[in-house]
Amino acid sequence: NAGVTQTPKFRILKIGQSMTLQCTQDMNHNYMYWYRQDPGMGLKLIYYSVGAGITDKGEVPNGYNVSRSTTEDFPLRLELAAPSQTSVYFCASRLRDTEAFFGQGTRLTVV
Amino acid sequence: GEDVEQSLFLSVREGDSSVINCTYTDSSSTYLYWYKQEPGAGLQLLTYIFSNMDMKQDQRLTVLLNKKDKHLSLRIADTQTGDSAIYFCAERVDNYGQNFVFGPGTRLSVLP
Repeated sequence: NAGVTQTPKFRILKIGQSMTLQCTQDMNHNYMYWYRQDPGMGLKLIYYSVGAGITDKGEVPNGYNVSRSTTEDFPLRLELAAPSQTSVYFCASRLRDTEAFFGQGTRLTVV
Repeated sequence: GEDVEQSLFLSVREGDSSVINCTYTDSSSTYLYWYKQEPGAGLQLLTYIFSNMDMKQDQRLTVLLNKKDKHLSLRIADTQTGDSAIYFCAERVDNYGQNFVFGPGTRLSVLP
């Protein structure tokens, strides 16, 4: 039982490049979330999903896209990377009335 | 909107008690959480409390909830160097898929 797995752990992108942050969970959780963590700012919600085929915007969705074709996977896509997207990204999942389980994070730097 | 506030830094001596405080704004929150983040790692759930409880104790951890003042605290007894980490307070709110709203985190430094 691996929990929530994120790849890659680190990535450096040039401005304007695109990439996909992968997130997968093997706990059959219906809720999944993507957060970004900026220093001193806590975690901000980017997108979330309440089940396969259903996604919706969080607080800071601009510049990102997601999909949820399966229960297990919830990839986050950056189409045109900008320096403001330099951050640490966390994926999380949970069942209906439990705590959220977090991945180890992806540290992204846009230069 | 919802907001969760915490002080950013706390230093204590090894063996002393640590108290990390948090205030939140959403009075309808049903669950309140404390997460721990060690360097380079994800967030790990430490403990949580239902909003109809005043206190919860789990080994060295004591959580106190004052619903009237919307104040949550985490007390760590006999603080050890391994407790050095960032501690996040979070409330679960009924928007954004019952999302978690996190505070900025309190960086606890334990001095020998």
